[in-house]
Amino acid sequence: GQQLNQSPQSMFIQEGEDVSMNCTSSSIFNTWLWYKQDPGEGPVLLIALYKAGELTSNGRLTAQFGITRKDSFLNISASIPSDVGIYFCAGQPNNYGQNFVFGPGTRLSVLP
Amino acid sequence: NAGVMQNPRHLVRRRGQEARLRCSPMKGHSHVYWYRQLPEEGLKFMVYLQKENIIDESGMPKERFSAEFPKEGPSILRIQQVVRGDSAAYFCASSPGGAIGNIQYFGAGTRLSVL
Repeated sequence: GQQLNQSPQSMFIQEGEDVSMNCTSSSIFNTWLWYKQDPGEGPVLLIALYKAGELTSNGRLTAQFGITRKDSFLNISASIPSDVGIYFCAGQPNNYGQNFVFGPGTRLSVLP
Repeated sequence: NAGVMQNPRHLVRRRGQEARLRCSPMKGHSHVYWYRQLPEEGLKFMVYLQKENIIDESGMPKERFSAEFPKEGPSILRIQQVVRGDSAAYFCASSPGGAIGNIQYFGAGTRLSVL
């Protein structure tokens, strides 16, 4: 079945730095979602992407739907301590109606 | 995720007891998903339900676990004869349905501890 890989698995950055993470697959996806999970909470939707090449921003967050439809990228600019958490990508496979597939997550730690 | 309500937030059970986890989807949503998350790990899909139907239960353990989403009331994830390995956070998500843009919105989770 379809699987998603996320890299890096974890990262430690200084407050104020920019962050980049990505999500890749060997399969084509039609929709990409990015979620953030705070410690002890459920995942919260950050950005949804529906078209190949689409670039969407939400405040300091920017995500892109890869041209090949097999990957997506999330960037966070000028990180702050509350950016700490786990970032999950999720993709809806090519066959509409199938459930979303979730990646294993990227764990972000922000050092003051 | 405030719209998806899960209760209880924390549940403690002794080995051999039953655990019932409840999920009320967002208003207008007819699709419910259950996920399990172990500490320091990602979300593991368990089951996908529509009202009164199980659509995909490929992630559900074959024994002791069951899920339902009745016509009226919340979705229930039921774990019979719990064991220590069942200790985890269980998340419910809901979506409006439809093939395209069927975005899932998550609840805050139920943390199950088995003593």
